Amino acid sequence: QSALTQPASVSGSPGQSITISCTGTSTDVGRYNYVSWYQQHPGGAPKLIIYDVTNRPSGISNRFSGSKSGNRASLTISGLQAEDEADYYCSSYTSSTPLEVFGGGTKLTVL
Amino acid sequence: EVQLLESGGGLVQPGGSLRLSCGASGFIFSDYAMGWVRQAPGKGLEWVSAIRGSADKTFYADSVKGRFTISRDNSKNTVYLQMDSLRVEDTAVYYCAKVGYCGGGSCRRLEYWGQGTLVTVSS
Repeated sequence: QSALTQPASVSGSPGQSITISCTGTSTDVGRYNYVSWYQQHPGGAPKLIIYDVTNRPSGISNRFSGSKSGNRASLTISGLQAEDEADYYCSSYTSSTPLEVFGGGTKLTVL
Repeated sequence: EVQLLESGGGLVQPGGSLRLSCGASGFIFSDYAMGWVRQAPGKGLEWVSAIRGSADKTFYADSVKGRFTISRDNSKNTVYLQMDSLRVEDTAVYYCAKVGYCGGGSCRRLEYWGQGTLVTVSS
């Protein structure tokens, strides 16, 4: 069982916007602004797309955005494209362990 | 361009040992912490270990503490993961990653990842 809770799957049509949630507790997501999001295409390595809740690394499309409210963080992808079909993982700094904890992952299907 | 290349994976029997290596290029290796993250087949991600740039501090997940040892050779731009007393549940793809921040007590943000190396623990 993962430390952070994500929906197993979400879907959307090209051009639409979707949001993936990541629910933690007051010892991780709710306490620190250190939530990251990773994108993983089938057979590929994860790629950092959001860090510190809202920041995008260089080269990441501004179609990807992050936010947080209480114990829940969210990743929004706007203008959905076929290439966005992938697994998405959230992670958070936690006071419980020295290494970040991950969510179970969400499979995004572009219809 | 940051590049990370893992090697050393393979098939090993329960109770056996394996050493993974990760060669890095494209950044000043000694300035950054490095980590290992694993992904069991069809499962999610688990951060198992990290080491600061100067190798003065190491971090481990409870699931591997006492069995795995992370180390680095800054002269060779390489980080290692020595895995002993391997269990069936250690079967996974092991990714090497460049860590964004490792302070005195914790690490966060995995900025770049290698392509991974598969470790299979089975009799």
